[in-house]
Amino acid sequence: QVQLVQSGAEVKTPGASVKVSCKAAGNSITGYYLHWVRQAPGQGLEWMGVINPSGDATSYAQNFQGRVTVTRDTSTSTVSMELSSLRSEDTAVYYCAREPPTTGLFDYWGQGTLVTVSS
Amino acid sequence: QSALTQPASVSGSPGQSITISCTGSGSDVGGYNFVSWYQQHPGTAPKLMISEDTKRPSGVSNRFSGSKSGNTASLTISGLQAEDEADYYCCSYAGSSTYVFGTGTKVTVL
Repeated sequence: QVQLVQSGAEVKTPGASVKVSCKAAGNSITGYYLHWVRQAPGQGLEWMGVINPSGDATSYAQNFQGRVTVTRDTSTSTVSMELSSLRSEDTAVYYCAREPPTTGLFDYWGQGTLVTVSS
Repeated sequence: QSALTQPASVSGSPGQSITISCTGSGSDVGGYNFVSWYQQHPGTAPKLMISEDTKRPSGVSNRFSGSKSGNTASLTISGLQAEDEADYYCCSYAGSSTYVFGTGTKVTVL
């Protein structure tokens, strides 16, 4: 059973950075792309970025260029997303999601991590 | 990259069929065969319902079907059931390893 387990909720002040991790059991993300998607309270889903299976290539949504960094540690089957220069509008639930190569689909999702940005 | 356009809400009675549209452009929906659909119940992570425009993953009810014409993709739910009440999102590949989601549609079972 594939399970993506994300790190716990975070509370940050404006201007700070946050790093959210997504860990998979066994080899369940080996060979897969890992995406990050966020959802502000009461709002829709927003795609943020993706990292390739080997961890040496990333792509980000234009809205987050320069503020988001996705990294991957293949030895621990962990993918992380760091968002900097936080503002109140970044308050959201952040999800990681797995994509089988060249399918364009997200078949398994993490449970979500609430990040609250407040002074 | 602008969000794909979906109706804010769609409703139907049990047993009826409803269709949710997802309109993009030739740079996303119309340019690739990579539209997927997700169902999301309150407080839970999204669940894949349709992939690659029309494919239904194993375990998803055959009451759900996908189609596409030009720059508009559609999700049809037939034999509507109470458990289908949820938010639905389309998602499309948009080139250069990027993706875009739809604005989301709230489905209400009357």
